[in-house]
Amino acid sequence: EGQLLDSGGDLVQPGGSLRLSCAASGFTFSNYAMSWIRQAPEKGPEWVSLISGSGYTTYYAESVKGRFTISRDNSKNTLYLLMNSLKVEDTAIYYCAKEQFAANVGDSFDMWGRGTRVTVSS
Amino acid sequence: DIQLTQSPSTLSASVGDTVTITCRASQSTSTWLAWYQQKPGKPPRLLMYATSNLEGGVPSRFSGRGSGTEYTLTITSLQPDDFATYYCHDYSTHARSTFGQGTKLDIK
Repeated sequence: EGQLLDSGGDLVQPGGSLRLSCAASGFTFSNYAMSWIRQAPEKGPEWVSLISGSGYTTYYAESVKGRFTISRDNSKNTLYLLMNSLKVEDTAIYYCAKEQFAANVGDSFDMWGRGTRVTVSS
Repeated sequence: DIQLTQSPSTLSASVGDTVTITCRASQSTSTWLAWYQQKPGKPPRLLMYATSNLEGGVPSRFSGRGSGTEYTLTITSLQPDDFATYYCHDYSTHARSTFGQGTKLDIK
């Protein structure tokens, strides 16, 4: 059975940086597009970024474009999210999530990490 | 961007009841709509994809339907484990995802 273990969340000051990681196991990582999705307290999920299985194509929500960078290392079965110029409104639990079907880009998410908490506050 | 509005925001029901949650899109979408269940402190769990396809392991008391701008998730014969928050998710726009604001189903 597949698993995603996301990590790297922390308390950071506005303007700071943080890198999240997501270690995947139990499936052929390189076959699947992956996303980061965040959820602020008492809010619905918000899609943040997506990367294709190869890593060649990336997409971002307008709210993070130019500040966040998604990447992956298929040799290590690991997904990353580099977050720069963090704002208070970036405070949320961040989940990595696997797309349901191989080779798709833009799909439902059938596997989620347990989430890692990012708090941006002075 | 497509906006999703769920109704109701909160729903109170009893074990054994049948409930329906509605998700309305700001513009007509294809049927690339999913539903998730989330319990406190846990990530969302996929229940339904492509409007009406049940994810593996999900009980058949969950069903989905819809088209255009209106989609529904129906749960028949509610069980204690079903009390949770439910989200719809549109993925009809290439490489973009939008989620609804959620419907909290609690025990009456």
